[in-house]
Amino acid sequence: SYELTQPPSVSVSPGQTARITCSGDALPKQYAYWYQQKPGQAPVLVIYKDSERPSGIFERFSGSSSGTTVTLTISGVQAEDEADYYCQSADRSGSYPVVFGGGTKLTVL
Amino acid sequence: EVQLVESGGGLVQPGGSLRLSCAASGFTFSNYAMNWVRQAPGKGLEWVAAISGSGGSTHYADPVKGRFTISRDNSKNTLFLQMNTLRAEDTAVYYCAKDSDYGDHSVDYWGQGTLVTVSS
Repeated sequence: SYELTQPPSVSVSPGQTARITCSGDALPKQYAYWYQQKPGQAPVLVIYKDSERPSGIFERFSGSSSGTTVTLTISGVQAEDEADYYCQSADRSGSYPVVFGGGTKLTVL
Repeated sequence: EVQLVESGGGLVQPGGSLRLSCAASGFTFSNYAMNWVRQAPGKGLEWVAAISGSGGSTHYADPVKGRFTISRDNSKNTLFLQMNTLRAEDTAVYYCAKDSDYGDHSVDYWGQGTLVTVSS
């Protein structure tokens, strides 16, 4: 079955830039989506179609894609950005199943 | 304002059944595919099932095929998940999730989740 691979954890100091990667064989052909989940809360979509930002999401959140890897970048990290982040995509056919990465815990030191 | 409110979770013994419901409001329910996504305690997100806007097409993750059934009642703006032959590994918070307009089965709205605990 198709898999998306994320690092388990990323740590940064406030004001620095955090980069969270997600790797998958189908990513050159399929868009990726990023969700932020804070403890006890439902996820929130922060990036769609690799690099687009939904309305209401801070400009410090951005996304990029290169080959089989997509990257979520958070510039000028703030304490409130500490959360789990999940990428999501589809396999090469673009159909089901929906696939989530394993998640990355962002710690703001 | 889009709202998704799940109900029906609880404690059930292994081998038992449970039916989850999700009441939707704030959008044209029948225009959107809907999903169930679960999260085991301390674990990541796992997609469980999806159903098209009309209800005519359903899809399931391999771990739940043959045991879970997703359905919807568009006249009542309600999504369901019938869970049979439950196992300990089905223990999780179950989220109702609405497909976004962005494509690729991405989700733009989630419910608050309902906890299902499978234990004797």
